[in-house]
Amino acid sequence: SQQGEEDPQALSIQEGENATMNCSYKTSINNLQWYRQNSGRGLVHLILIRSNEREKHSGRLRVTLDTSKKSSSLLITASRAADTASYFCATDAVSSNTGKLIFGQGTTLQVKP
Amino acid sequence: NAGVMQNPRHLVRRRGQEARLRCSPMKGHSHVYWYRQLPEEGLKFMVYLQKENIIDESGMPKERFSAEFPKEGPSILRIQQVVRGDSAAYFCASSPGQGSKLSTNEKLFFGSGTQLSVL
Repeated sequence: SQQGEEDPQALSIQEGENATMNCSYKTSINNLQWYRQNSGRGLVHLILIRSNEREKHSGRLRVTLDTSKKSSSLLITASRAADTASYFCATDAVSSNTGKLIFGQGTTLQVKP
Repeated sequence: NAGVMQNPRHLVRRRGQEARLRCSPMKGHSHVYWYRQLPEEGLKFMVYLQKENIIDESGMPKERFSAEFPKEGPSILRIQQVVRGDSAAYFCASSPGQGSKLSTNEKLFFGSGTQLSVL
């Protein structure tokens, strides 16, 4: 079964608002990554947070990681219409001997102009 | 430096035919991953390959599906005797890799995918 689960499944906001997406996972991880996918395209890496980190920033993105709750959140501040996309978390499980990334179901974000 | 290249972009097959999906990783990358995505769903891991080696095929269906990454040329995902349920977007990703394991803190670079439609 998939490691990560995002919520909400879909999110619709107005331009300028903040968007928060959450990801929960089941097993201990080495790192957690967030990816973005525009409709009909491949995924693009956004940010990686290691298991010993609690928060990380990149531009308008802020990621938090709570390993005790096995959860992460992605915050996009001052959203733009161009942020409309699906967002996926991916985990690299400690138990994996190959380090493959397992993706969640994704959150579809719509930012209305 | 070209990104991950997948072809064809769209592939239409009739039930029972074979589908061959190609993936050329980024220059300098020796690790390739294949994922499948159904509409409105996330990516499901299929297989992880290095040059001439299958590292992890735990996500591959037991029958009809095979993958290779030869010493020369692209990685190939092959689906024999396709059925309608195989219709999906198939994504390839690559990473530089070290040894036989995706290094911790390594990110993946994705291609644009192949949309397989089985009639």
